[in-house]
Amino acid sequence: DIVMTQSPDSLAVSLGERATINCESSESVLHTSSNKHYVAWFQQKPGQPPKLLIYWASTRESGVPDRFTGSGSGTHFTLTINGLQAEDVAVYYCQQYFYTPLTFGGGTKVEIK
Amino acid sequence: QLQRQAAGPGLLKPSETLTLTCTVSGGSISTSGYYWGWIRQSPGHGLEWIGSIFYRGSIYYNPSLKSRVTMSVDASKNQFSLRLRSVTATDTAVYFCARHVGNLPTSHFDFWAPGTLVTVSS
Repeated sequence: DIVMTQSPDSLAVSLGERATINCESSESVLHTSSNKHYVAWFQQKPGQPPKLLIYWASTRESGVPDRFTGSGSGTHFTLTINGLQAEDVAVYYCQQYFYTPLTFGGGTKVEIK
Repeated sequence: QLQRQAAGPGLLKPSETLTLTCTVSGGSISTSGYYWGWIRQSPGHGLEWIGSIFYRGSIYYNPSLKSRVTMSVDASKNQFSLRLRSVTATDTAVYFCARHVGNLPTSHFDFWAPGTLVTVSS
């Protein structure tokens, strides 16, 4: 199975500042023929299901604010929230969909400092 | 859109069978381009993919659960279902149904229905 390791487990960021979440896959999730990384990022608020933010490692889902940016390559991926807003308080998960079983990172809790 | 519909109690005893159904609304489950999946979330295991199914019957299960899981599609009702046999306390979790965008389960989930809490306790 591909293991997705997220860091940090939690972080506190001041309103308007940048939050950076890291995700490392235990092996490559790059589909070489399409040059796409099979990584998604989700946001989950208490009592709600996860919400898709980013797919193909860097493609923003429709309706997602542009302060959310996904980047990375190889086995290292990053979700950046530029200009943290109060409504961004949530747990964020990365996920690989390159191989089954599909696997998720352990989550990063983002709070306001 | 997905609406989750729990069939059966949210409280089960060890060795019983968990059954959940998810209803697709606003479109047909028999649409090429989508797989339909089940994921669960618990404090001990985080988010865990259970399996995914295509309306034509192709099914992919997580090997860790494969011996106890059955998934099916009822296209006439626009529903897909999950059965997990011989449950134990470790199966206590919030269960989600979700939609994949793609003709393979190796595609991203673009929509998740609200979860259903299932508790296994004697």
